[in-house]
Amino acid sequence: AQTVTQSQPEMSVQEAETVTLSCTYDTSESDYYLFWYKQPPSRQMILVIRQEAYKQQNATENRFSVNFQKAAKSFSLKISDSQLGDAAMYFCALLMNRDDKIIFGKGTRLHILP
Amino acid sequence: EAGVAQSPRYKIIEKRQSVAFWCNPISGHATLYWYQQILGQGPKLLIQFQNNGVVDDSQLPKDRFSAERLKGVDSTLKIQPAKLEDSAVYLCASSSEPFRGEGHTGELFFGEGSRLTVL
Repeated sequence: AQTVTQSQPEMSVQEAETVTLSCTYDTSESDYYLFWYKQPPSRQMILVIRQEAYKQQNATENRFSVNFQKAAKSFSLKISDSQLGDAAMYFCALLMNRDDKIIFGKGTRLHILP
Repeated sequence: EAGVAQSPRYKIIEKRQSVAFWCNPISGHATLYWYQQILGQGPKLLIQFQNNGVVDDSQLPKDRFSAERLKGVDSTLKIQPAKLEDSAVYLCASSSEPFRGEGHTGELFFGEGSRLTVL
């Protein structure tokens, strides 16, 4: 069975600083995708960044980047120049290409300190 | 482009009552998901539709939960009878996929959710 683990229930970072959210996953399959989703308070979940397992290059989207370590099954999210609007729950998710099933971690609540 | 619409946003019922949630996905999206998100936890997949067919309902408590997607568009999720542990946010999401190949982002588009409180 596939699992996604986020070991940091909450984190805080000073505005304009950099923060890294951790995620590990487990699957025996080789064809999958990894995602980070953001869920602001009382607002809908949106996609932050996506990584295909077959790509070695780490994905980057503006201030957001990932460190994808396939052998270690690790997929961390780095947020640079943190902004107040980054405060949210962040979910790591694993998509199996075989059946389009997506599994979410339990989330990390990120606080931005002004 | 209109997003995923869900209603009602909030619902309070007593245990053993029934409730229904409605979802209208983004136009043209073939895949529709219902997730249950208990406070402090990540979303848990309840059921996944591809057009109007069920792809996965392995985690749907079928003795009390049911879902349908008529004509491959709108979907309803029903709980009857509700239990205290059903208190959660019910999220609907849609995608245009299957997620395969270049050009597909794999992105799920979520609605704002329906918050259920069972007393």
